[in-house]
Amino acid sequence: GAGVSQSPRYKVAKRGQDVALRCDPISGHVSLFWYQQALGQGPEFLTYFQNEAQLDKSGLPSDRFFAERPEGSVSTLKIQRTQQEDSAVYLCASSLPRLVMAGELFFGEGSRLTVL
Amino acid sequence: AQSVTQLDSHVSVSEGTPVLLRCNYSSSYSPSLFWYVQHPNKGLQLLLKYTSAATLVKGINGFEAEFKKSETSFHLTKPSAHMSDAAEYFCVVSDLLNQGGKLIFGQGTELSVKP
Repeated sequence: GAGVSQSPRYKVAKRGQDVALRCDPISGHVSLFWYQQALGQGPEFLTYFQNEAQLDKSGLPSDRFFAERPEGSVSTLKIQRTQQEDSAVYLCASSLPRLVMAGELFFGEGSRLTVL
Repeated sequence: AQSVTQLDSHVSVSEGTPVLLRCNYSSSYSPSLFWYVQHPNKGLQLLLKYTSAATLVKGINGFEAEFKKSETSFHLTKPSAHMSDAAEYFCVVSDLLNQGGKLIFGQGTELSVKP
């Protein structure tokens, strides 16, 4: 497909389970962002990659959250020992550096995580 | 620190009437400001952007926004609403010099359009 693809679209986890969310960016996009969107809120920045390098992880809420992009393409956001407050939609966005500087990110539809 | 405040969580208009979605910003530097739109089950899409050129910015689908430094505002307008405009709208600020393009979103305004 031409857009950013995220999977799974919906995930229900029991409290304490580990989850992994996948993002396939637009081909050729070296910049990749993860955002967290709680119900009724705006997206909040989690982390940013340029190619395989994680340049900013200041938004990750705790050490239970981990993101990787080992080959500079697909990225995985992992959440260990999930808690109810982790319930949210996790958005992935990709772009090119010149477009990032112009504020233009291309977002996927998100992965909705519900922790019971 | 950069931030944006969207003054209305929900706006309802009738089809064919004007739309006004309000946004105020706070920034220590000359800000870059954006509006993004999120239709149900669709990804966020850039609607328009202000990056210190013209203060009146035109976007897609007939939307425009005016940057007013004296009022620290960046309100989104459209002369005539269409049913397809129903969506969630986010005002966004980015400190491009200091945050490498990190976007900071407002809380969102849900726009409903009545027939």
